[in-house]
Amino acid sequence: DGGITQSPKYLFRKEGQNVTLSCEQNLNHDAMYWYRQDPGQGLRLIYYSQIVNDFQKGDIAEGYSVSREKKESFPLTVTSAQKNPTAFYLCASSGSGTALELFFGSGTQLSVL
Amino acid sequence: GQQVMQIPQYQHVQEGEDFTTYCNSSTTLSNIQWYKQRPGGHPVFLIQLVKSGEVKKQKRLTFQFGEAKKNSSLHITATQTTDVGTYFCAANTGNQFYFGTGTSLTVIP
Repeated sequence: DGGITQSPKYLFRKEGQNVTLSCEQNLNHDAMYWYRQDPGQGLRLIYYSQIVNDFQKGDIAEGYSVSREKKESFPLTVTSAQKNPTAFYLCASSGSGTALELFFGSGTQLSVL
Repeated sequence: GQQVMQIPQYQHVQEGEDFTTYCNSSTTLSNIQWYKQRPGGHPVFLIQLVKSGEVKKQKRLTFQFGEAKKNSSLHITATQTTDVGTYFCAANTGNQFYFGTGTSLTVIP
């Protein structure tokens, strides 16, 4: 089945620790995105990538880093510089053409110990 | 970035009542998309509107794009418990998708 796989589903971070969230897609999509969702709020863009080996900062990139070494993969690292990392993280991808809908993974809930 | 405002933030309705959520932008949008997120789930694409004044229907759901392409609405007729969730609008600028804050719908049986 084609889709986006995020792992892990739940993740706990200790103070001063970097953690990496995985996002893999087999939809052959060029564009991939990371969003952060806080309770009762909308989705805020962290980073996006339109093509392999290239990515752009979104509205809330501080304290996060990404890489795009393969078309299928777009991992997100939450660094120790992110002081309020507790949130639900959603990865998404979109294809090309006129129907640029976003396909989302099932998300990762990150909590701080 | 692009600002997309969405109201109301929460809505409780009795099953069978209608529901509407509104999305507004200060700038002209090239298109608007709508997504639904069930409790504990992830957003799922519902529809995209592109043309000025466009109206699209999906069973009990009616989507509208304003004449000036600055606002949009989603109307659900005769809500059911399966309609529970958060509805988001999103403006696609080509490179990015800017989401509204969402409207959380609760349907009381």
